[in-house]
Amino acid sequence: QQQVKQSPQSLIVQKGGISIINCAYENTAFDYFPWYQQFPGKGPALLIAIRPDVSEKKEGRFTISFNKSAKQFSLHIMDSQPGDSATYFCAASMAAGGTSYGKLTFGQGTILTVHP
Amino acid sequence: DAGVIQSPRHEVTEMGQEVTLRCKPISGHNSLFWYRQTMMRGLELLIYFNNNVPIDDSGMPEDRFSAKMPNASFSTLKIQPSEPRDSAVYFCASRRGQGYTEAFFGQGTRLTVV
Repeated sequence: QQQVKQSPQSLIVQKGGISIINCAYENTAFDYFPWYQQFPGKGPALLIAIRPDVSEKKEGRFTISFNKSAKQFSLHIMDSQPGDSATYFCAASMAAGGTSYGKLTFGQGTILTVHP
Repeated sequence: DAGVIQSPRHEVTEMGQEVTLRCKPISGHNSLFWYRQTMMRGLELLIYFNNNVPIDDSGMPEDRFSAKMPNASFSTLKIQPSEPRDSAVYFCASRRGQGYTEAFFGQGTRLTVV
């Protein structure tokens, strides 16, 4: 119930294209869904996050789409650039209540390569 | 702010030796996480502290692993004895509170057990 499943494992996109990464969860108590970006040799860093009271959040070229009934959420990167090449992780946590509140659980990660 | 500070950045040790990884969270952050990253298993949560108290250690692989947080500004992850399968990058992360707040990661410690 604590798992977050992420797909695809790797993704190759041409510059200017749209990158889409998907995640699914089981625990309906999750109420915070961040996406992290990781460059080689660095720790993950927060990219964008959403709470389940909204279905979409957009920050620049990055958009999270959230489907509460399907227990799925996705990251869309518009106009993908070579500088976006990195590993992307979705995550989920419960902000309040339960024995695991605050625990941040990550998906397996997606290696994105954007070709020039 | 210097961010989350981990030491050492790289550690090479022989099988059977004790390894201690260190983490200094961001001042004012009261939640601390230890993660292990490998190609095969991705980012695995090992243990999670809140206000210096271990809340969830269900991800600790076995008794060879132990973690402590003696105060709000320091945590250690110890492996004794180390094995080659422990080779991975270990990350420490901290966040303020337990709600809808960003977790900040350190640079990681790359551990190689030979």
